Amino acid sequence: QSVLTQPPSVSAAPGQKVTISCSGSSSNIGNNYVSWYQQLPGTAPKLLIYENNKRPSGIPDRFSGSKSGTSATLGITGLQTGDEADYYCGTWDSSLSVWVFGGGTKLTVL
Amino acid sequence: QITLKESGPTLVKPTQTLSLTCTFSGFSLSTSGVGVGWIRQPPGKALEWLALIYWDDDKRYSPSLKTRLTITKDTSKNQVVLTMTNMDSVDTATYYCAHLRPNDIFFDYWGQGTLVTVSS
Repeated sequence: QSVLTQPPSVSAAPGQKVTISCSGSSSNIGNNYVSWYQQLPGTAPKLLIYENNKRPSGIPDRFSGSKSGTSATLGITGLQTGDEADYYCGTWDSSLSVWVFGGGTKLTVL
Repeated sequence: QITLKESGPTLVKPTQTLSLTCTFSGFSLSTSGVGVGWIRQPPGKALEWLALIYWDDDKRYSPSLKTRLTITKDTSKNQVVLTMTNMDSVDTATYYCAHLRPNDIFFDYWGQGTLVTVSS
């Protein structure tokens, strides 16, 4: 059971938009930055979003992040088949003094 | 350019102790704010954070695995070592090490991972 809750799967058609939610508590998302990671099949996770809504160099602006209260959201617009991957949110939990990940969301581009 | 690479045994027997090494380049673990973490992923399952070590030797562990884990660093060799005792089949996973952005709370660079299978 992950500390951060994500939907197990989401799907949408190519060109469409999808959002992935990440729900936590005041001890983690509520008081710390959230980051998002993309894991393409058979590869290591890659940083997608950091500090809630910032994109590392090389990440297209089709990917966006936001945070409100104890929840965070990853948005992907203009879906491409190459976006099919598992997406994980993560943050620090100040009460537990540990890093926590969400359970991951599998994105299917139909 | 920051790179990390995990190394260690691919097969361990139940009850044995696993030792994994993360060898990195492009940064120093003696630089203020820097950290290196270990994360694992059982086949077909989610990421699970295991441990974190900072430049000042501060260490953090997953509460559920704390009694079995030890993380150490060798600054001169640019290495971080994770030791996990009493291995079981449920510990079969790909183990990743990752660079923690200095003075921040996200992993910006990841190793390729190493698959460890626990079987007799």
